[in-house]
Amino acid sequence: DVKVTQSSRYLVKRTGEKVFLECVQDMDHENMFWYRQDPGLGLRLIYFSYDVKMKEKGDIPEGYSVSREKKERFSLILESASTNQTSMYLCASLGAGGTDTQYFGPGTRLTVL
Amino acid sequence: RKEVEQDPGPFNVPEGATVAFNCTYSNSASQSFFWYRQDCRKEPKLLMSVYSSGNEDGRFTAQLNRASQYISLLIRDSKLSDSATYLCVVIPLRDYKLSFGAGTTVTVRA
Repeated sequence: DVKVTQSSRYLVKRTGEKVFLECVQDMDHENMFWYRQDPGLGLRLIYFSYDVKMKEKGDIPEGYSVSREKKERFSLILESASTNQTSMYLCASLGAGGTDTQYFGPGTRLTVL
Repeated sequence: RKEVEQDPGPFNVPEGATVAFNCTYSNSASQSFFWYRQDCRKEPKLLMSVYSSGNEDGRFTAQLNRASQYISLLIRDSKLSDSATYLCVVIPLRDYKLSFGAGTTVTVRA
């Protein structure tokens, strides 16, 4: 069975803290994505990676960075968390076919106080 | 203008009813289209792909209208378990970046 896992389901952090969100997929997919989902705005792409050590900015990269040292793992980093980064964060992966299904992790609900 | 727009709803329908809703996209070069379903506090999951000729999967029918740049989803004989948010997803040609609509909420009542 296809699996995308995220390190935490719920996370509470304070303003200014450094936050790491980890995502692991077991499908040997080349492409991995980080989205945030907010009410009324839908899913917005933060960053994506199409290969190890490769990354590209999505639509809303400000305040975030990413790391892809291994094919199966894609990390999202909030260097200095702010309250407007309170959101649901979803990781996804996609095979190289381009028309394949994008599989999502269960999501991390991050609250920044 | 957003790349993908959906009527947020909610569509409140009785069991057994038919419900249909559309999603419009702005990029005429869009190549692949999907409907995802998202239950409350869960991740999105693929419901069905949308093919140019239209396609059915049980009670669900998806259509693509390239001329008017929209896709549609029709649910027949609604079940309580169909209550969810339905996300429209569009992928441009030669791109892996998916564009998501904000979702259409459907609530099926007994």
